[in-house]
Amino acid sequence: AQSVTQPDIHITVSEGASLELRCNYSYGATPYLFWYVQSPGQGLQLLLKYFSGDTLVQGIKGFEAEFKRSQSSFNLRKPSVHWSDAAEYFCAVGASSGSARQLTFGSGTQLTVLP
Amino acid sequence: SQTIHQWPATLVQPVGSPLSLECTVEGTSNPNLYWYRQAAGRGLQLLFYSVGIGQISSEVPQNLSASRPQDRQFILSSKKLLLSDSGFYLCAWSTNRQRAFFGQGTRLTVV
Repeated sequence: AQSVTQPDIHITVSEGASLELRCNYSYGATPYLFWYVQSPGQGLQLLLKYFSGDTLVQGIKGFEAEFKRSQSSFNLRKPSVHWSDAAEYFCAVGASSGSARQLTFGSGTQLTVLP
Repeated sequence: SQTIHQWPATLVQPVGSPLSLECTVEGTSNPNLYWYRQAAGRGLQLLFYSVGIGQISSEVPQNLSASRPQDRQFILSSKKLLLSDSGFYLCAWSTNRQRAFFGQGTRLTVV
């Protein structure tokens, strides 16, 4: 069965500092990987996704993530955090085949940005 | 373009009362539909998914049920709410291309 682990429940960074959110997955085949952000009072918004090809993927809002098969990781990064990035971030893995597509989410990482 | 509507945005209900949350999708046909719940301090948990009208699969046994009376309508219900049903409920849809689109969510507080 597929699973996703986000080891950091809560991360606090200062505005302008760099950010890395960790994500480790377990899946038997090549995974489809996603990062979503949930801002207060809003639904989930897709930041970026990895299906195949280049292991470094660029997303919206200046985020990027790197797929490392050897480490089963898909960490999210941003070189300089803005106060508006404060939100909860979810990593997810999806099945590569089947009639019903299901995403397995990590437990989320709450990001606090200090001024 | 495709859009997903979920309502209400917030809801406060007494214990024992019924629940009905509605989700509709526009701009696509035969989507896979999902209900997720995010309980306080926890991640997202898949509750139900549907691949077609009248086809509902339950992931977690609970006090809730789901129905899909039309191709682009997905309803989450309960006959009698429990305190533990409080949380943030998200509807989502996807196609066989994998990406999921989420609604705005409903913040349910059972008092």
